Amino acid sequence: NAGVMQNPRHLVRRRGQEARLRCSPMKGHSHVYWYRQLPEEGLKFMVYLQKENIIDESGMPKERFSAEFPKEGPSILRIQQVVRGDSAAYFCASSPIWGSGTTQETQYFGPGTRLLVL
Amino acid sequence: KNEVEQSPQNLTAQEGEFITINCSYSVGISALHWLQQHPGGGIVSLFMLSSGKKKHGRLIATINIQEKHSSLHITASHPRDSAVYICAVGYNFGNEKLTFGTGTRLTIIP
Repeated sequence: NAGVMQNPRHLVRRRGQEARLRCSPMKGHSHVYWYRQLPEEGLKFMVYLQKENIIDESGMPKERFSAEFPKEGPSILRIQQVVRGDSAAYFCASSPIWGSGTTQETQYFGPGTRLLVL
Repeated sequence: KNEVEQSPQNLTAQEGEFITINCSYSVGISALHWLQQHPGGGIVSLFMLSSGKKKHGRLIATINIQEKHSSLHITASHPRDSAVYICAVGYNFGNEKLTFGTGTRLTIIP
């Protein structure tokens, strides 16, 4: 059973270009979380998605950032018109369907995508 | 304000020493996670706990819900344990987004 997969692992973009980061959750997992780790800072929540639904995007910057998790295929985090401040490691994590809503589930993290904006 | 604080920020110890990393949080949680991040590497989930104590090999995690405090212990530490250890909490059943501490950088010297 493959773990959470992210690609690319490293991405270099020039200012103004678009960055697309992909996350394939573990088999059987339908919950995806995106987190960002800025240089020398801690991890911060960005967005929580289930298949075809954005559940919580309270951590997403208001402009230029969007995320989706289609019925088929990976989850995509899209950053338009990148700026140097977007340089960071972007991690996704997945968890399985929870049952009654009274328990937490372990999140399994992908290896991350390191984005460098020149 | 939901805050997660870890101590110490940096810890250097000799191989074989018993290690303790602490985590405090400010409001009630649904679960607390301990994560490990190696330099330039990914993140591994070590423990998820909402009460009591869990053990896996040389690692032990405890949580005191009343005091809003958790500890991660490493027995017989080894240089390969050198990593950043991150405490993270979830607040809501059904939306398990995590709030992270700033991490503890552990270095074990042979």
